[in-house]
Amino acid sequence: DQQVKQNSPSLSVQEGRISILNCDYTNSMFDYFLWYKKYPAEGPTFLISISSIKDKNEDGRFTVFLNKSAKHLSLHIVPSQPGDSAVYFCAASETGGFKTIFGAGTRLFVKA
Amino acid sequence: NAGVTQTPKFQVLKTGQSMTLQCAQDMNHEYMSWYRQDPGMGLRLIHYSVGAGITDQGEVPNGYNVSRSTTEDFPLRLLSAAPSQTSVYFCASSIRDYHTGELFFGEGSRLTVL
Repeated sequence: DQQVKQNSPSLSVQEGRISILNCDYTNSMFDYFLWYKKYPAEGPTFLISISSIKDKNEDGRFTVFLNKSAKHLSLHIVPSQPGDSAVYFCAASETGGFKTIFGAGTRLFVKA
Repeated sequence: NAGVTQTPKFQVLKTGQSMTLQCAQDMNHEYMSWYRQDPGMGLRLIHYSVGAGITDQGEVPNGYNVSRSTTEDFPLRLLSAAPSQTSVYFCASSIRDYHTGELFFGEGSRLTVL
């Protein structure tokens, strides 16, 4: 039973265009959401996060949108760059809990 | 600043052998955890610790043991390795307010069980 789902295993985008990565969750107790980026042979690194009291958080080229009613969040990268090519993991946690649950990841290819 | 250090980076075991994956962090983080990454499954939590002397199970704890005798170290033990434990293992740490704190990951340990 996957509580955090990333249904697109891969995504290919042209350099300069927008990349949109999607994530759905089933546990209504999740109230904090994070995105991590992972390059081959490296550990994941934190990218951006959002609290459930917000519906948008922006950091430079990266914006995360949260739709609580749909239990859906998305990561927008604008403009996409070849260096953004990596695996992106969506993750979620809940207040008082000690577990961060990750999705299966989406591999992003940004073509030059 | 080393961050989170994992050893070994690569290991090949035979079924039934035991081994320990080492994890050390130098950021004085209270929270530490172990994940495994498998194709199509993402990162799954094995065990975690919220401080020295305190550990608990994650999503997939069977076949693994942990202990936390110091703040810095959080070793993961495989008592009797099985081919299903072939995976890439990541150790991660976070500040005490882990709920909203980002996880800092090590570079991973690739384990193959024959």
